[in-house]
Amino acid sequence: NAGVMQNPRHLVRRRGQEARLRCSPMKGHSHVYWYRQLPEEGLKFMVYLQKENIIDESGMPKERFSAEFPKEGPSILRIQQVVRGDSAAYFCASSPPLPEKLFFGSGTQLSVL
Amino acid sequence: AQSVTQLDSHVSVSEGTPVLLRCNYSSSYSPSLFWYVQHPNKGLQLLLKYTSAATLVKGINGFEAEFKKSETSFHLTKPSAHMSDAAEYFCVVSGRSILTGGGNKLTFGTGTQLKVEL
Repeated sequence: NAGVMQNPRHLVRRRGQEARLRCSPMKGHSHVYWYRQLPEEGLKFMVYLQKENIIDESGMPKERFSAEFPKEGPSILRIQQVVRGDSAAYFCASSPPLPEKLFFGSGTQLSVL
Repeated sequence: AQSVTQLDSHVSVSEGTPVLLRCNYSSSYSPSLFWYVQHPNKGLQLLLKYTSAATLVKGINGFEAEFKKSETSFHLTKPSAHMSDAAEYFCVVSGRSILTGGGNKLTFGTGTQLKVEL
């Protein structure tokens, strides 16, 4: 019974490139959340998705960032034209339809050179 | 609106001595509160949660936390630290997404790094 799977574990990009972070929720979970952990800061909510729908994206930067959770396949967090300030650990969490407990992945460490 | 403050960014204890990690919260309604632990290179793991039942909550690995409404606190304790407890601990308050009846918008504290020495 695999947990929340995130890949890659580490991603290195040069400024201006695109970063795609993947998250496969636990089996049976239809809710996915993305959080960002900046150095020396706590985790910050970015976006909450259900299958094929963005429910709450109030924590997403207005430009360059997008997220999707298609009917089939993993959830994708996409960052276009990355900048050094995007360097952070990005965590995905999933929950069942009656959410209270979240299950977190191991995170993707994004480094922008 | 909700927020959470972890009062210590670093705590250092000796193995076998008690652990106290402090957390204060603010919330405009009855909150759900959580403690998560993050070991190096691993995902977050839920230690315990408070959801308006008993005010003293017992979690995994011997940790417990007490919800004190009058003090707006939810401090994490353990009677005797073990080397394997060295990690980063996050206090978290939960608010329902206002856009839907479901969802779970968590607000995290900045974390407390626990160091356990021999």
